[in-house]
Amino acid sequence: AQRVTQPEKLLSVFKGAPVELKCNYSYSGSPELFWYVQYSRQRLQLLLRHISRESIKGFTADLNKGETSFHLKKPFAQEEDSAMYYCALLGSSNTGKLIFGQGTTLQVKP
Amino acid sequence: KAGVTQTPRYLIKTRGQQVTLSCSPISGHRSVSWYQQTPGQGLQFLFEYFSETQRNKGNFPGRFSGRQFSNSRSEMNVSTLELGDSALYLCASSLVGRVQDTQYFGPGTRLTVL
Repeated sequence: AQRVTQPEKLLSVFKGAPVELKCNYSYSGSPELFWYVQYSRQRLQLLLRHISRESIKGFTADLNKGETSFHLKKPFAQEEDSAMYYCALLGSSNTGKLIFGQGTTLQVKP
Repeated sequence: KAGVTQTPRYLIKTRGQQVTLSCSPISGHRSVSWYQQTPGQGLQFLFEYFSETQRNKGNFPGRFSGRQFSNSRSEMNVSTLELGDSALYLCASSLVGRVQDTQYFGPGTRLTVL
C-alpha cells in the first residue's frame, strides 16, 4: 500500500534551534517524494522535491530508502518557518497523483 | 502569470443536493488534480485529469465525478451530498503531471453540507 506517515502533529522549537520534521513512506517502487508547506492564510506550495537535491529556505531533505524516510531538516529555525508542513509521495509515475501525510505544524517560538 | 483559481470559494448546501466546483489551471497547464482536505483525513487525492481524460482516481465513491474541458479547465461534481462531504476541496495544476513538474494549488472551495 502507498502511504505517507508524519508521526508528529505539532513540533514546537525555539528560534535558532535545529528542526527535523519526520516523514516515513510505504511504496513498492522507486519513490518520488516532496515536501509542501502552507503558511498562514496562504496556498499550499511546494517546498522541495527529492530529485532536485536542493536546499530551499535553508531546508534540506534526504531520501533514506533503507529506513523509508524523507525527513525535513533545518539547522537554525526562524520564526517565519512557522507553518504546516506536508510530506507527499507521487502515487503513480508521471502523473499528478500525490499521496499526502497528515501534516506537521511547526511552531517556532521567539 | 495568474495562479490557479477556484470558484466558488465558499458553498453551503444541504444533504441530498448536488454541487459543482470549478478550477481554472495556470495557462499552459494540462494536468489538473483534485484533493479533499478534512481535519480527520487530511489531504486525500480525488482524481486527476489530463487532456480531457481521467488519468487517475482515488478511493472515493461514484458520487464524486469530474471532467476537463479542452481549455484544461476542470469541474468536479458531488451528487447526493452527505454531511461527511463537508471539506475544503483543492485543485492543483501542472504542465503535464510529470515528477519534474511542480503542482500549483488553488485557494480551495470550502463546502459545508448541512
